[in-house]
Amino acid sequence: AQSVTQPDIHITVSEGASLELRCNYSYGATPYLFWYVQSPGQGLQLLLKYFSGDTLVQGIKGFEAEFKRSQSSFNLRKPSVHWSDAAEYFCAVQETSGSRLTFGEGTQLTVNP
Amino acid sequence: NAGVMQNPRHLVRRRGQEARLRCSPMKGHSHVYWYRQLPEEGLKFMVYLQKENIIDESGMPKERFSAEFPKEGPSILRIQQVVRGDSAAYFCASSPAGQGPQHFGDGTRLSIL
Repeated sequence: AQSVTQPDIHITVSEGASLELRCNYSYGATPYLFWYVQSPGQGLQLLLKYFSGDTLVQGIKGFEAEFKRSQSSFNLRKPSVHWSDAAEYFCAVQETSGSRLTFGEGTQLTVNP
Repeated sequence: NAGVMQNPRHLVRRRGQEARLRCSPMKGHSHVYWYRQLPEEGLKFMVYLQKENIIDESGMPKERFSAEFPKEGPSILRIQQVVRGDSAAYFCASSPAGQGPQHFGDGTRLSIL
């Protein structure tokens, strides 16, 4: 069964600092990969996705993620964090032959002024 | 351009009552998914439906829970004889195809007294 690990439960950064959120997955082949963001009391918003091709994918709000097959990782990055980026971030995988999303436990991001 | 609509946003029930959660997918989307988010946890897949068909219900508890997506109208997640452990946020997602990104609603927060 596929699984997703987000090793960092909570990360705090200063506004303007760079950000990297880690995501590792366990799956026999290369799955489809996603990052979602959830603000308090809201649903999940898709930041970016990886299906195939270029391993560096660009998303909305200035986010990018890099797929590394050798490390089974799909880390999310942003060069300069804004206060409005404070939220919970979820990494998710989808089997290439299936439909369900399997989510990590999430990383809570706090941004200090 | 309406997104995934869920109602109610908040639902309070007493133990033993029934809870009905509704989800209208995005226009043009015929694939619906339900996920549950327990406090301090990530989202867990429950069920995947297309119009009038349950495709994958492997994440549904064996008793008290059921889901439908009729030919006309929204998808319904039904929980009979609710217990305290059913308190959670229930999210619906939709997609135009059985794979690829899923678009989420804002969820229904279910509280059991």
